Amino acid sequence: EAEVAQSPRYKITEKSQAVAFWCDPISGHATLYWYRQILGQGPELLVQFQDESVVDDSQLPKDRFSAERLKGVDSTLKIQPAELGDSAMYLCASRFSGKETQYFGPGTRLLVL
Amino acid sequence: QKEVEQDPGPLSVPEGAIVSLNCTYSNSAFQYFMWYRQYSRKGPELLMYTYSSGNKEDGRFTAQVDKSSKYISLFIRDSQPSDSATYLCAMSTGTYKYIFGTGTRLKVLA
Repeated sequence: EAEVAQSPRYKITEKSQAVAFWCDPISGHATLYWYRQILGQGPELLVQFQDESVVDDSQLPKDRFSAERLKGVDSTLKIQPAELGDSAMYLCASRFSGKETQYFGPGTRLLVL
Repeated sequence: QKEVEQDPGPLSVPEGAIVSLNCTYSNSAFQYFMWYRQYSRKGPELLMYTYSSGNKEDGRFTAQVDKSSKYISLFIRDSQPSDSATYLCAMSTGTYKYIFGTGTRLKVLA
């Protein structure tokens, strides 16, 4: 069964350092989402792509976060510089066009020291 | 007030019990309702998906939507220790953007 892939699974970094997360959606899924999930809370949308275009990045802290999906397939989310409050699970999800159901990857757990 | 409210629990039940998990919402435009199961340190896994009001059953799981009350439920029959996880509700107006509840932690005791 096809799955959303994410790497790394875990990342420990010091504040002010740069970090990057990678996501490979299910093949054929044109829509890709990046979410942040703080412990004890539900996922919150950071950015949504349709193919290579950003559809919604209204909740992305653009002074330190950036996201790209250059060829409309895999995607990278970057944080620079990382802050203590960025410690969370970063989830990637993908969806087939016209379908409501999205599928999540295993997430990247980030700890900023 | 959050758009989607969900009791965080934890909820502890004995094995074999019927579990009821609920979410309330404030946005009457929500039309699509989903339940996800999330095991510790893993990504959410879609359990149930419902459009508009009504019931949907899949094995031991039943999802109910009452749009007049802005209330959705997930019932788990014959609960098993393997059902121990966090259950997240999620909703959409049809714009392919999803609002999640905070999740309810469920523990099924053997």
